[in-house]
Amino acid sequence: QQQVKQSPQSLIVQKGGISIINCAYENTAFDYFPWYQQFPGKGPALLIAIRPDVSEKKEGRFTISFNKSAKQFSLHIMDSQPGDSATYFCAASTAGTYKYIFGTGTRLKVLA
Amino acid sequence: GAGVSQSPSNKVTEKGKDVELRCDPISGHTALYWYRQSLGQGLEFLIYFQGNSAPDKSGLPSDRFSAERTGGSVSTLTIQRTQQEDSAVYLCASSLALVGGTQYFGPGTRLLVL
Repeated sequence: QQQVKQSPQSLIVQKGGISIINCAYENTAFDYFPWYQQFPGKGPALLIAIRPDVSEKKEGRFTISFNKSAKQFSLHIMDSQPGDSATYFCAASTAGTYKYIFGTGTRLKVLA
Repeated sequence: GAGVSQSPSNKVTEKGKDVELRCDPISGHTALYWYRQSLGQGLEFLIYFQGNSAPDKSGLPSDRFSAERTGGSVSTLTIQRTQQEDSAVYLCASSLALVGGTQYFGPGTRLLVL
C-alpha cells in the first residue's frame, strides 16, 4: 500500500512532442505529490508538486494532472526539448510524516 | 552554501573496508534524509534526522549501516565491512521542516565496492 507505481520505464519523444509519465498509488492518505528531475551525475531536483485539492497544476511547459478518484497523477511535458532528457521520479508523502515514497523513475530521451 | 553538498563525490573501496560518507545540508534546514539509489532503480529511503535525532532507522539495510548528525548540521553515513551489493549512489537531502518541507537533494556519493 506504500508503493507508488510509475510508468513507462523509458520514453522516447521527438522534439516538440508531448511527454507523458504516469504514477499510481494505493494509500489514500497521501496528500503531497512532487515530481523530481534528475540529470546524469546529479541529485534529483524538485520540478513541480501538487496537493489533491486541485486537479491540475501548470508551471511553464510542465503540468501535473491529478485524478483523486483513480488515485493517479501524471506529468505532462509540452513542447519537449532535448534539454528535458533526464530521469523523472514521482513521489508521494503523507501529512505528518517525513518520508517520500518514490516511483522507480522514467528515463526520458527527447530526440533533436 | 547554496545547496546540499556531499563528499566524496566518488568512492572506490575494497570489500570488507569501512567507508564514511558526508552530507552538509542547506543552512537552517532542520531535517536531513539519506537515500540509496542503485543502478537504474528508484530512491530507497534509509534514515532521517530531525535535529540530531534519528527517530526512525528502519530503512537501514543492515546493522553494518549507521548514521549520525552533529550540531544539527553535518551528517555522516558509515558503512562497515562493505559488500559489493552496497555499491550505489548515496543521496542526502534536507528540508526546512520535517512535515511538508520540500526535500532538496545533494549530488550524491557514488560508491563502488570491488
